Amino acid sequence: NAGVTQTPKFQVLKTGQSMTLQCAQDMNHNSMYWYRQDPGMGLRLIYYSASEGTTDKGEVPNGYNVSRLNKREFSLRLESAAPSQTSVYFCASTRDRLNTEAFFGQGTRLTVV
Amino acid sequence: QQQVKQSPQSLIVQKGGISIINCAYENTAFDYFPWYQQFPGKGPALLIAIRPDVSEKKEGRFTISFNKSAKQFSLHIMDSQPGDSATYFCAARMGRGGSEKLVFGKGTKLTVNP
Repeated sequence: NAGVTQTPKFQVLKTGQSMTLQCAQDMNHNSMYWYRQDPGMGLRLIYYSASEGTTDKGEVPNGYNVSRLNKREFSLRLESAAPSQTSVYFCASTRDRLNTEAFFGQGTRLTVV
Repeated sequence: QQQVKQSPQSLIVQKGGISIINCAYENTAFDYFPWYQQFPGKGPALLIAIRPDVSEKKEGRFTISFNKSAKQFSLHIMDSQPGDSATYFCAARMGRGGSEKLVFGKGTKLTVNP
């Protein structure tokens, strides 16, 4: 079982460049999430999708957009990368919005120079 | 706004000792309190969780103590082992009718020396 798969694992961008982080889960989960992890800041929610066809802002949505492509896939897009977006990004999924166990991917380490 | 306060930020324990990590919250609408464990280069994984109608939950060497009146909960790792060295996050979830999202503490980096 792959669980939650994120691509790429590492990425370096120049300021102003755009990119899309991909996430896919094979657990037939309804809800998916994007977090960023920064030293001393814990995990902060960027966007989430409670179910296919819906997306909502989390705690730190500015500078990001998301697409819930289908039930399996949830992508995060940086339209114009900034150094403040240097972080480790995690995708997670839960069976549904009320379910409590979140399964995380292995993360994408993004550096914006 | 950080709604779950976690301490300490880092912790060093000798092998065989007890590791204790504390968390506090304000919002009484939280209805589920999980702890996640994260090893370097990996995503967090659920370790143990508790609901507020229970004062303690134990799974092997890991115990959550929950004090509803004080709005505090803690993770105790008994007989700590070098393999327990990781970052631990407490979290809380708003119940039905709320956002139903997890809010995480800032994390505690645990080092268990051999």
